[in-house]
Amino acid sequence: NAGVIQTPRHKVTGKGQEATLWCEPISGHSAVFWYRQTIVQGLEFLTYFRNQAPIDDSGMPKERFSAQMPNQSHSTLKIQSTQPQDSAVYLCASSLTGGAQNTLYFGAGTRLSVL
Amino acid sequence: AQKVTQTQTSISVVEKTTVTMDCVYETRDSSYFLFWYKQTASGEIVFLIRQDSYKKENATVGHYSLNFQKPKSSIGLIITATQIEDSAVYFCAMREGDTNAYKVIFGKGTHLHVLP
Repeated sequence: NAGVIQTPRHKVTGKGQEATLWCEPISGHSAVFWYRQTIVQGLEFLTYFRNQAPIDDSGMPKERFSAQMPNQSHSTLKIQSTQPQDSAVYLCASSLTGGAQNTLYFGAGTRLSVL
Repeated sequence: AQKVTQTQTSISVVEKTTVTMDCVYETRDSSYFLFWYKQTASGEIVFLIRQDSYKKENATVGHYSLNFQKPKSSIGLIITATQIEDSAVYFCAMREGDTNAYKVIFGKGTHLHVLP
């Protein structure tokens, strides 16, 4: 079991460029979560998929951010026209099912730096 | 709306002692699940322990235990016989169970320093 895999580990973009972050959940897990971690805001919920369907995107900034899960083996978080305030560690997590009792398994994160 | 609050930003203890980290939560759901996660210096986040809202018994796993006080909406994490390697950031989290949304909300974390 390789755990949740996130790529790249580090990404540096210039202001205004696009960034795409990838997540491969644990095989057999049907729920995928995206979080953003900063010193000031802590772990912020962004969005959540269950069985590839978007369930809750209430944490996603309305502009520039989008997430997809085209198949059960990967999810992407895309940030268009990146801004310095987007700099953060973006974490992906998966859980066995969408059940509320299930624990999350986190990936190592992608550190995004917007210059 | 659900909310998780950890007021202790940082705690320092001497190894082999017991430490308690506080967490209070807000929810309108009658069913919910409370979790504690640990983030090590490498950035890795791992699950430690869970408390189901309908259970009166405090959960215990190894040297981690919980102090669940439902009337106070409080879920404290107790670490006994602390070790240097317990130094990390500890996050309290909640997942509501009544609705179908199931998003997980985290507190801002408590940084534990275990000193020799």
